[in-house]
Amino acid sequence: QLQLQESGPGLVKPSETLSLTCTVSGGSISSNSYYWGWIRQPPGKGLELIGSIYYTGSTYYNPSLKSRVTIAVDTSKNQFSLKLSSVTAADTAVYYCARLVSSDWYYFDYWGQGTLVTVSS
Amino acid sequence: EIVLTQSPGTLSLSPGERATLSCRASQSVSSSYLAWYQQKPGQAPRLLIYGASRRATGIPDRFSGSGSGTDFTLTIRRLEPEDFAVYYCQQPGTFGQGTKLEIK
Repeated sequence: QLQLQESGPGLVKPSETLSLTCTVSGGSISSNSYYWGWIRQPPGKGLELIGSIYYTGSTYYNPSLKSRVTIAVDTSKNQFSLKLSSVTAADTAVYYCARLVSSDWYYFDYWGQGTLVTVSS
Repeated sequence: EIVLTQSPGTLSLSPGERATLSCRASQSVSSSYLAWYQQKPGQAPRLLIYGASRRATGIPDRFSGSGSGTDFTLTIRRLEPEDFAVYYCQQPGTFGQGTKLEIK
């Protein structure tokens, strides 16, 4: 059974960089059938796609966040990561990592449990 | 950017009733790329429907999806207590704002 687990600091100061890692177990991140994505959800609000990455390193970023986002993959560790720079209180959210099917279809089928990141001094 | 608008924002129904949730796109979306998710409080979203009408693995057949172009629908045939949750539609890059299905 595929599992994804987010990890990283739960508190980040304004103007600093948010860094999270997603560890994939029960399957290979290097599968040529899947992408890997980050989605966030501010408290009480809806879902927002941050971006996605293929195991080769090819990325897609939400245009509204593109200037501040970097998503990277480490196939040796079966992990992918998210960096979001210059954070403000508006970046406070539950951050999810998920597996993305993006070929004939487009959907996220496996999700991590999510991790709450609070931006506050 | 394609905007997905879901309606209603909140739907109040009783167990056993039929729920019809709408997702309207600002531009045409390929049916292959339209998905629906269910989210309960404190949980990650769960995939229900992909390709507009295909149920994901393990999803009961009371859930069905339909539509094409700019108008898509999620129908729950006979509501069970565990179906009361928030539902999101999604196309590549964007999610709808969600419909909250609450017990009447």
